[in-house]
Amino acid sequence: GQQVMQIPQYQHVQEGEDFTTYCNSSTTLSNIQWYKQRPGGHPVFLIQLVKSGEVKKQKRLTFQFGEAKKNSSLHITATQTTDVGTYFCAGQWAAGNKLTFGGGTRVLVKP
Amino acid sequence: DTEVTQTPKHLVMGMTNKKSLKCEQHMGHRAMYWYKQKAKKPPELMFVYSYEKLSINESVPSRFSPECPNSSLLNLHLHALQPEDSALYLCASRQTSSTYEQYFGPGTRLTVT
Repeated sequence: GQQVMQIPQYQHVQEGEDFTTYCNSSTTLSNIQWYKQRPGGHPVFLIQLVKSGEVKKQKRLTFQFGEAKKNSSLHITATQTTDVGTYFCAGQWAAGNKLTFGGGTRVLVKP
Repeated sequence: DTEVTQTPKHLVMGMTNKKSLKCEQHMGHRAMYWYKQKAKKPPELMFVYSYEKLSINESVPSRFSPECPNSSLLNLHLHALQPEDSALYLCASRQTSSTYEQYFGPGTRLTVT
């Protein structure tokens, strides 16, 4: 079946540093979404990217969708302890109901 | 109201028990989902209902039986589960328009003994 690969699986970050998590599909996506799940919580929607080459920013978070719509990245600058959690990308290959999650990047912040 | 609610929060059941999980939303969303999430893994799609009709069943064993009584409610009936079915069961909903984002409930933590 269609899959979204996400790396790295774990990210230990010093507070104040930047990091990036990457997602990749072998086939062209219709759109990609990003979710954050805090420890003990549930996934919370962050952003959706639909257009080729799209870049969106939310404060310290920058989301990119590749030109071929096969890859995406999330870059966080000046990491804070509130950034702790697992970040999932989730892709759709056809507009509609099914969303396939990547494996997630679990972020731990060292104060 | 942008909330999806799920009951119960925790459930412990034996392998011979029958129980149900409940999910509710009042956002007017017409697509509703059940996901299963094991520890340190991503949510795994189980079922999708669109306009109260089952549209996707990801080859889920028949011991899980979904039901959508109306556009606001989604149930998951459980019967003869196995210990490996222990997981967090998440409900989500989505507006069936040009927006794609899914709203997740807090989940039901299920333990099968």
